[in-house]
Parts: sequence; C-alpha cells; structure tokens
Amino acid sequence: SQQGEEDPQALSIQEGENATMNCSYKTSINNLQWYRQNSGRGLVHLILIRSNEREKHSGRLRVTLDTSKKSSSLLITASRAADTASYFCATDGFGNEKLTFGTGTRLTIIP
Amino acid sequence: DAGVIQSPRHEVTEMGQEVTLRCKPISGHDYLFWYRQTMMRGLELLIYFNNNVPIDDSGMPEDRFSAKMPNASFSTLKIQPSEPRDSAVYFCASSLGGKNIQYFGAGTRLSVL
Repeated sequence: SQQGEEDPQALSIQEGENATMNCSYKTSINNLQWYRQNSGRGLVHLILIRSNEREKHSGRLRVTLDTSKKSSSLLITASRAADTASYFCATDGFGNEKLTFGTGTRLTIIP
Repeated sequence: DAGVIQSPRHEVTEMGQEVTLRCKPISGHDYLFWYRQTMMRGLELLIYFNNNVPIDDSGMPEDRFSAKMPNASFSTLKIQPSEPRDSAVYFCASSLGGKNIQYFGAGTRLSVL
C-alpha cells in the first residue's frame, strides 16, 4: 500500500504562528495532493504538486515534495482560527486513478 | 454549480435493514468515487466509476455492499443487510479526469443500531 502517514497526528499552535505538517508515503507517485476537512464536513482540496515539482505555493500555503525521501510537507503561515481542521495528504500512482489518503493531522489554532 | 450532493445527511437504521446512499456528482465530471471514513481505518476508497462504468471495486468490504451509476448524474451505494460495523461516514467525490482534484460531498453519517 502507498498509504501516506501524516506527522504529527495532532498539532496545537497559537494564532499567528506557522504550522508544519509532514506526509510520508511508500511507493512512487504521480501526484501528491493536500486536503482539509473541517469537523463534520467533506474534504476540500488545497493544493496539488506533481512528482517533477519540488515546491508549490498557494496563498498562505507552501508545499514541498521530496521524492527521494518519499515525503511532503505542508506549511501554513500566519495561522488563523479558521485553519482549525484535519489535513490529509493523498497520493496517486502510475496506471490507476485512485487516491490513497493518509491518516491526517488534526490542527488546532488557539486564538 | 452546487457541488457534489449527497443524501441523506444522516441515516439511523437497525441491523438487518437495507440502506441506500445517494450521490449527485458535479455536472460534467467523468469520475465518481465512494469512500468510507471511520476513526479506526481512516478514509478508505470503496469503489470508483469512470463514465458510469465501475473500474475498481476492490475496496468494497463484502457482498453486502453494492454500488451503481445508472447515468452521469446519479449514483447509489447500497448496503443489504446492514450491520453495526458499517457505521461510518460515507463520502462521494467526483473529478474531471482521474488523477485530478476530487470534489467531495458533505457525506452521509450512517449509524446502524
């Protein structure tokens, strides 16, 4: 299985601080995506990074990808209370369209 | 667009009853995915369709589960008979192209008593 594992499982920080979450996966990938899930809601796509990319930005989000280490990180800068949610990485492999989701990081922003 | 629409949002049923979950994907999307989310197992892919055709149902837990997509705008996931261990949140997602962004519905929270 190429299921990703997020680290840490839970993270609590003060509003305004930066939050960093990591994802590791097991096999070669085509793309890696990050999703956010607010409590009681569906997942919402944040950012997609392709296997030939090393870094990508979107607003306050910065994603890095290291295919040699089979890992990715998501950085949220200047965190806000509204960023409180669970964050999941998801990978897809070559030859199929399935996404395999990681176990998630539960982020709590303390006002 | 209204996004992916799932119904019902909540379902409470008794063991042995048939349960049908419904999903309307985003218009124009050609892929539809059904997931199950539990605390113990996380988010699991059950089955996915491309152009209404089931492509991979290897995640369907057992024969009690079945899924159909009679047309591009509607899909169902049926559990018959339901068991308490089926209690979970079931999500439907759709995408344009298989390796692209998936758009999730709000989910159906199923409780089997």
